[in-house]
Amino acid sequence: AQKITQTQPGMFVQEKEAVTLDCTYDTSDPSYGLFWYKQPSSGEMIFLIYQGSYDQQNATEGRYSLNFQKARKSANLVISASQLGDSAMYFCAMRERRDDKIIFGKGTRLHILP
Amino acid sequence: ETGVTQSPTHLIKTRGQQVTLRCSSQSGHNTVSWYQQALGQGPQFIFQYYREEENGRGNFPPRFSGLQFPNYSSELNVNALELDDSALYLCASSFYSGQANTGELFFGEGSRLTVL
Repeated sequence: AQKITQTQPGMFVQEKEAVTLDCTYDTSDPSYGLFWYKQPSSGEMIFLIYQGSYDQQNATEGRYSLNFQKARKSANLVISASQLGDSAMYFCAMRERRDDKIIFGKGTRLHILP
Repeated sequence: ETGVTQSPTHLIKTRGQQVTLRCSSQSGHNTVSWYQQALGQGPQFIFQYYREEENGRGNFPPRFSGLQFPNYSSELNVNALELDDSALYLCASSFYSGQANTGELFFGEGSRLTVL
């Protein structure tokens, strides 16, 4: 069974608009962490934001915020005021405490239009 | 601080050959993980090394093996290469304190392997 599901294979968004990238996850471990990574065409995975399962508030990092809905097992990434440089693949990922490895979703390719 | 570096960046091999990929972890990090990313897919966990020992492995056959050295750098070795081994191989480092590891991974730019 998929542990990380990203249902949007591709998205097109106008520059300066906000965009939400969807991610749902599946785990029975009460302690886990959720990550979002950006992968430009160069291939490097760039860490964006982290949310722990026990964190009370949604994580924010500059223009990135994570809409964490624990009961729904949802961890959507919100990018405010999108820029052309945001065009890339975006991966949602999870680390369970019992396992320690990070599991990635299949990704969403985001295209920012001028 | 020095980031994660991988070598080589690109290489081409033929079926049946062996390949070694190298990774220098970020300064201060003691854990190295390797991921395989096929075209259009998310990275798949191969294995992780901590204190020079493998401490986690994904669903990869034994012909995928690795090493971690005292300076925390690492190698990924793949024997008897198959066409499906063509992928981007990503190395990532992190710091594990012995408690739950909630730190993010820092990735290198990857080694792109093509098997003909």
